[in-house]
Amino acid sequence: QVQLQESGTGLVKTSGTLSLICAVSGVSVNNNNWWSWVRQPPGKGLEWIGEIYRGGKTNYNPSLKTRVTISMDMSKNQFSLRLTSVTAADTAVYFCASLAPSPQYFFDSWGQGTLVTVSS
Amino acid sequence: SFELTQPPSVSVSPGQTARITCSGDELGEKYVAWYQQKPGQSPVVVIHQDNKRPSGIPERFSGSNSGTTATLTISGTQAMDDGDYYCQAWESSTVVFGGGTKLTVL
Repeated sequence: QVQLQESGTGLVKTSGTLSLICAVSGVSVNNNNWWSWVRQPPGKGLEWIGEIYRGGKTNYNPSLKTRVTISMDMSKNQFSLRLTSVTAADTAVYFCASLAPSPQYFFDSWGQGTLVTVSS
Repeated sequence: SFELTQPPSVSVSPGQTARITCSGDELGEKYVAWYQQKPGQSPVVVIHQDNKRPSGIPERFSGSNSGTTATLTISGTQAMDDGDYYCQAWESSTVVFGGGTKLTVL
């Protein structure tokens, strides 16, 4: 059974950098899935941030593309999110998730989510 | 950019049929997934590839997708089906979510 667990700093200063790690167990990140980040501001809907595939290919939400980097560490079976120049609008619960590959393209496993608050 | 539109809220009486729609350009040509999310929890997929139900999801959940509209149907709605529902599709190497629909069973 696939399990994902987010970890990282829960409080980030305005204009700083948000960094999160998603530890994956039960499957190798070197499989056919896309490994993704999704966020949810308090009381609002889901927003896709981006994804990474084995070999390092990435896709990002166009609205966040200039500030986002997603990377993968196969030796540790984990992937990471880095979001720069954060503002209060980046305050959200951040989920890591596994996206089933083409043609399915749906999220089949999710982490429990971690709240990141941006404050000065 | 590709967008998915859902009604903000849907209300249904217990035992009745709830229908939640999701609209987008040529949506019928893409696969749609639906997620249920309860407060404080991660989303759970209830339908994928338009109409496939994962193991463990009750048979009362079904889906369809044609033209510009996908529909999640919950037959014989139960109080436990209360929550937020999101549709999701994939378009040009990006994942898109609908804005979400709050289903109230009352």
